[in-house]
Amino acid sequence: GAGVSQSPSNKVTEKGKDVELRCDPISGHTALYWYRQSLGQGLEFLIYFQGNSAPDKSGLPSDRFSAERTGGSVSTLTIQRTQQEDSAVYLCASSLDRRTVSGGYTFGSGTRLTVV
Amino acid sequence: QKEVEQNSGPLSVPEGAIASLNCTYSDRGSQSFFWYRQYSGKSPELIMSIYSNGDKEDGRFTAQLNKASQYVSLLIRDSQPSDSATYLCAADVPMGNQFYFGTGTSLTVIP
Repeated sequence: GAGVSQSPSNKVTEKGKDVELRCDPISGHTALYWYRQSLGQGLEFLIYFQGNSAPDKSGLPSDRFSAERTGGSVSTLTIQRTQQEDSAVYLCASSLDRRTVSGGYTFGSGTRLTVV
Repeated sequence: QKEVEQNSGPLSVPEGAIASLNCTYSDRGSQSFFWYRQYSGKSPELIMSIYSNGDKEDGRFTAQLNKASQYVSLLIRDSQPSDSATYLCAADVPMGNQFYFGTGTSLTVIP
C-alpha cells in the first residue's frame, strides 16, 4: 500500500482481556518495527522484524507481549491479559531494510489502546 | 539518564521568528540522527536526518549536529502556525535495530 496501515485505530478493552493489533507495512519494506507511546513519554521500542530473520524482541516489556510477522509482510502484536499500564498508542513503522534505516522510517497512524 | 534528552517545552515563538529546538544524546556510538514532527493525535513524520557534523538545510529547516558535544538541533526559520507540533529527536542505537527517541518538544507558533 501507499503507507503503513494499522488497525484498529482505537481499541477499548477490559483489564485481563487479550488484544491483537495489526500492521500492514509499505509494500517492499522488509524492516518492520513496533513502538509504543504513552502520554508524556517518548517512543518505547518493542520489537523489530527484518525479512525472515529472527525478530529482535529486546524491547518487549513482559511475556504478555508477543508479535509475529507472516510472510514477511503483515505483523500482529498480541497483548495477553491486558493491564491498565498497557494503555498507550502502539505505533508500527517500516523501512526498506535495516541498512537504509539511516534514512529514518515511516510510521503508521497508530492504534490507541485503552484498558479499563 | 535518558539516551536522548529534549526540553519538553512548551516553546512559543511568534509567526515569522526562528524556532530553535535542541537535543542531547548520551551514546557516543550513535551515527544517525533524525527529527520527527508529530501533530496532536497523529503519528510522527520524518522531517530531517543528519549524519555528519555541521549544518544540513532543507527549505526552512536546518539541522545541526555536533558529535563532540553530543547535541543535535533543529532550526525552523520563518515559523508558521502550521509548524505548531511536537518535535521528536531520535538517534540510532549502535549495533542495535531501533532508535532512541526523546520525549519531544512542544512548539507553538503564535500568529
